[in-house]
Amino acid sequence: GQNIDQPTEMTATEGAIVQINCTYQTSGFNGLFWYQQHAGEAPTFLSYNVLDGLEEKGRFSSFLSRSKGYSYLLLKELQMKDSASYLCAVYSNYQLIWGAGTKLIIKP
Amino acid sequence: GAVVSQHPSRVICKSGTSVKIECRSLDFQATTMFWYRQFPKQSLMLMATSNEGSKATYEQGVEKDKFLINHASLTLSTLTVTSAHPEDSSFYICSAPHRQDTHNEQFFGPGTRLTVL
Repeated sequence: GQNIDQPTEMTATEGAIVQINCTYQTSGFNGLFWYQQHAGEAPTFLSYNVLDGLEEKGRFSSFLSRSKGYSYLLLKELQMKDSASYLCAVYSNYQLIWGAGTKLIIKP
Repeated sequence: GAVVSQHPSRVICKSGTSVKIECRSLDFQATTMFWYRQFPKQSLMLMATSNEGSKATYEQGVEKDKFLINHASLTLSTLTVTSAHPEDSSFYICSAPHRQDTHNEQFFGPGTRLTVL
């Protein structure tokens, strides 16, 4: 079967760094996406990884290891507006398989 | 970037009525669009894949006669929830893929919150 696992909830402090992990087991792999979703809103694109390694985009970075079926999203210099759910999704056989999302709570 | 709109953003209806939700790609053409449903505190659940000019492909467990999908043009897909019941109350989101430099990115509409009384 196809499965994507990520923690349900994480808490971090404003100004700190947090790493959200995602592990996947899918029949195919054509890339991994991270999306941010604020409550009551649609998801917005954060990053895309198809090759192993780290992709950096401002305060956000995403890492992929295809051999381990593992990715993480790294958020630096956390701001209160980063409080949201973070969704990991794998593109497998022309279909996006979604994780359940990680709710990130930022405390002052 | 590519923009996807949805209408209405919020709808409240009585049980037994039908509700139509529109999804439009504003500045690009989409031969395929996706319809998702999201219950509170849960992840996106793919309901169906809407294909321009042909029948939609429904995910297992989704009733095609209850959730009618029409993809009549390259910029518009509609989802009609027929004979809505309170258990159909949810957040419905559409998305359309658009080619970026290295990948097909999913652009999401803002979502439609349906409340069935």
